[in-house]
Amino acid sequence: AQTVTQSQPEMSVQEAETVTLSCTYDTSENNYYLFWYKQPPSRQMILVIRQEAYKQQNATENRFSVNFQKAAKSFSLKISDSQLGDTAMYFCAFMDIIQGAQKLVFGQGTRLTINP
Amino acid sequence: DTGVSQNPRHKITKRGQNVTFRCDPISEHNRLYWYRQTLGQGPEFLTYFQNEAQLEKSRLLSDRFSAERPKGSFSTLEIQRTEQGDSAMYLCASSLDRVAEAFFGQGTRLTVV
Repeated sequence: AQTVTQSQPEMSVQEAETVTLSCTYDTSENNYYLFWYKQPPSRQMILVIRQEAYKQQNATENRFSVNFQKAAKSFSLKISDSQLGDTAMYFCAFMDIIQGAQKLVFGQGTRLTINP
Repeated sequence: DTGVSQNPRHKITKRGQNVTFRCDPISEHNRLYWYRQTLGQGPEFLTYFQNEAQLEKSRLLSDRFSAERPKGSFSTLEIQRTEQGDSAMYLCASSLDRVAEAFFGQGTRLTVV
């Protein structure tokens, strides 16, 4: 079974700083997707960024980028020029696209606080 | 379409009572998922529907839990004989196909007293 580990329960940075959230995962599959989801205090989960495992190029979405290291099974999220609205729980998630329901397997989350 | 809708948003029930939650997915989405999230943890998969067919259930889904998706539209999740350990946020998500983005609802927070 796949597992996802986020080793940083909480992080806190000043507004406009850059912050990196860590994520490692374990799988024997070769084809899969990785995601970062954001869950603000209102509790609705929002997709931040997605990475296909077959793509070597790291995904970027505006201020958000990932460092995908397939051999190391590492998938970190970098938030540049952090904003107060980035304050939220961030979840790393894995999806096996070949077998089963293509369900998401989530890590434990990192609570990120952006301070003014 | 305003996204995935879940009702009720909050439910407080006494131990031993039955509860039912509803999820209305985005209208054209044929895949629907239920997850459970306890405080301080990431969501855990409970069950999955493709159209009206329930195709996978987690071992977390005991025989007190049942889910339906009649006509492949909205879905209901029922918990019978609730226990305090059932207290959690129940999240619903839907997606268009197997690798498309999953859109989540705001969840139903269940408190069993």
